[in-house]
Amino acid sequence: EVQLVESGGGLVKPGRSLRLSCTASGFTFGDYAMSWFRQAPGKGLEWVGFIRSKAYGGTTEYAASVKGRFTISRDDSKSIAYLQMNSLKTEDTAVYYCTRDREYSYGHWYFDLWGRGTLVTVSS
Amino acid sequence: DIQMTQSPSTLSASVGDRVTITCRASQSISSWLAWYQQKPGKAPKLLIYKASSLESGVPSRFSGSGSGTEFTLTISSLQPDDFATYYCQLSRYTFGQGTKLEIK
Repeated sequence: EVQLVESGGGLVKPGRSLRLSCTASGFTFGDYAMSWFRQAPGKGLEWVGFIRSKAYGGTTEYAASVKGRFTISRDDSKSIAYLQMNSLKTEDTAVYYCTRDREYSYGHWYFDLWGRGTLVTVSS
Repeated sequence: DIQMTQSPSTLSASVGDRVTITCRASQSISSWLAWYQQKPGKAPKLLIYKASSLESGVPSRFSGSGSGTEFTLTISSLQPDDFATYYCQLSRYTFGQGTKLEIK
């Protein structure tokens, strides 16, 4: 079955770190860019960042709200994408989703596969 | 940055109704628009990409149209399973604000 499964969420104190995992199955993980999104309670979708496939350098980009605090990486041998979150703030509280990215053409993307999400709660 | 304006924010309708949701871009985006459905507590699900291409497995009562700056998602005959929140998406960074489709 083609799917993404996030894990690693939980309750964490402000200033602490957490690492989320996104485990893929049913497709050739290494062929795809992968993104992370989040959704705060009752709010809309916010892009967090993405990682290109190794064929495109495996480079990353991040939203301004998380740049310098969050790091995305990937292990194609295990079909896992990671989101390392450091210096967490209360405003990082959200459900975090990973996605498989599809490209219409250069610079234009949509997201055809989503994980079910993992909840991160940042609170003292 | 290109802005997306999605309307309405809430829509009340009945089973069997035809409904339309609109997204307007602040400048032309060709056909680079996708639509997603999200149910409470669930992940978003891709419905339409490239403005009018139906994702595999999505019922044919869903359709998308438009190009340039104005786009619509139409559900031809609402089914009970369709009551959800719908988002349009331009880029990684740009989603519409969402339309909550409620039962009248």
